[in-house]
Amino acid sequence: DAKTTQPTSMDCAEGRAANLPCNHSTISGNEYVYWYRQIHSQGPQYIIHGLKNNETNEMASLIITEDRKSSTLILPHATLRDTAVYYCIAIDKAAGNKLTFGGGTRVLVKP
Amino acid sequence: GAGVSQTPSNKVTEKGKYVELRCDPISGHTALYWYRQSLGQGPEFLIYFQGTGAADDSGLPNDRFFAVRPEGSVSTLKIQRTERGDSAVYLCASSLTAGVGGYTFGSGTRLTVV
Repeated sequence: DAKTTQPTSMDCAEGRAANLPCNHSTISGNEYVYWYRQIHSQGPQYIIHGLKNNETNEMASLIITEDRKSSTLILPHATLRDTAVYYCIAIDKAAGNKLTFGGGTRVLVKP
Repeated sequence: GAGVSQTPSNKVTEKGKYVELRCDPISGHTALYWYRQSLGQGPEFLIYFQGTGAADDSGLPNDRFFAVRPEGSVSTLKIQRTERGDSAVYLCASSLTAGVGGYTFGSGTRLTVV
């Protein structure tokens, strides 16, 4: 699976959009970009995934660059409950969806 | 059930003892995964099942670790001769089938070996 690189931490203001970047420059054509988050003392929570098209669901939007070497997770209106560690993962679904977690981005939403 | 259930939520055991950690996946989910998370780190893959069989056990750290899923539903992670380094949160997740969509994690079992 391709390695992903994320900032270690970032702060954002409550009510504003939070844009979380992820680099995956070695991603292959078969690999999807998945985002999970982990709130303190809970298991990781699936957010969204995509291959090459932008995706949106009730939680977030995922913007993938045309060359697929990077992506951005957008939380449109961050709330205090969005404070968590956010993980960007590139996986080959043919490999059974095994996730390789990196360090993630520790996001702190401030009032 | 509505979510992935893991029991116990906390387990303290003495070094050298045997422990079993249980995972009840979402009903109908055929794929089941075990991960281990040490403090301050991301989860680390251990093993995954598709149905009753272990499709990939490459993440098990050594032969003291073993997992079963005899009927394709509940899974048990077994650790023999526990060591202090085994202390971690053990997470279980399930999905409808491997390779499709995201999957749902349980809240984990916090294992402390003293």
